[in-house]
Amino acid sequence: GAVVSQHPSRVICKSGTSVKIECRSLDFQATTMFWYRQFPKQSLMLMATSNEGSKATYEQGVEKDKFLINHASLTLSTLTVTSAHPEDSSFYICSATNRTGLNSPLHFGNGTRLTVT
Amino acid sequence: AQSVTQPDIHITVSEGASLELRCNYSYGATPYLFWYVQSPGQGLQLLLKYFSGDTLVQGIKGFEAEFKRSQSSFNLRKPSVHWSDAAEYFCAGGGAAGNKLTFGGGTRVLVKP
Repeated sequence: GAVVSQHPSRVICKSGTSVKIECRSLDFQATTMFWYRQFPKQSLMLMATSNEGSKATYEQGVEKDKFLINHASLTLSTLTVTSAHPEDSSFYICSATNRTGLNSPLHFGNGTRLTVT
Repeated sequence: AQSVTQPDIHITVSEGASLELRCNYSYGATPYLFWYVQSPGQGLQLLLKYFSGDTLVQGIKGFEAEFKRSQSSFNLRKPSVHWSDAAEYFCAGGGAAGNKLTFGGGTRVLVKP
């Protein structure tokens, strides 16, 4: 079946540094990728939608300058957390699809646990 | 505003017993509805989905869900729970705007031996 690979699975970084998270679709072309954030014991909150070759669409309240999203190819989207702070510590999950519309399969990565010290 | 609500934060069930997880939605029209399962530190796996047609939907791992428009509900059920079903379960809904999903708060299922 379709696989989405997310890397790294865990990362610890110091406050003030930047961290890049990769989301790859391994066996299909992902025209659209979504980035979610999940705080402990809470639900997933959509951060942004990225379409290949265009700028990401951010949800209200998400700082686009802090969470840089790049979707330069049909198999790779990256989320860069810039100048990370402890409050950015969270579980970040990407999902990908190769079609629009809710009848399209949506495949999730296994997530990245970010800890900012 | 569109929303998905899971009233139960935690549910503990004995192995072999039945399980029902509640999900209520608030949408202007009938939404697309999904149930996902998440194991600790993992991504999400789709259990089942409802778009239209038969209101009783069969999914993987022996799960089923029933869409009830009159109750704005899409509850997940399993007749006999296995220890491996211990996980977090999320109900999600979407409207016509592509693949954007709204997730419920999740229900953590604990399975007693």
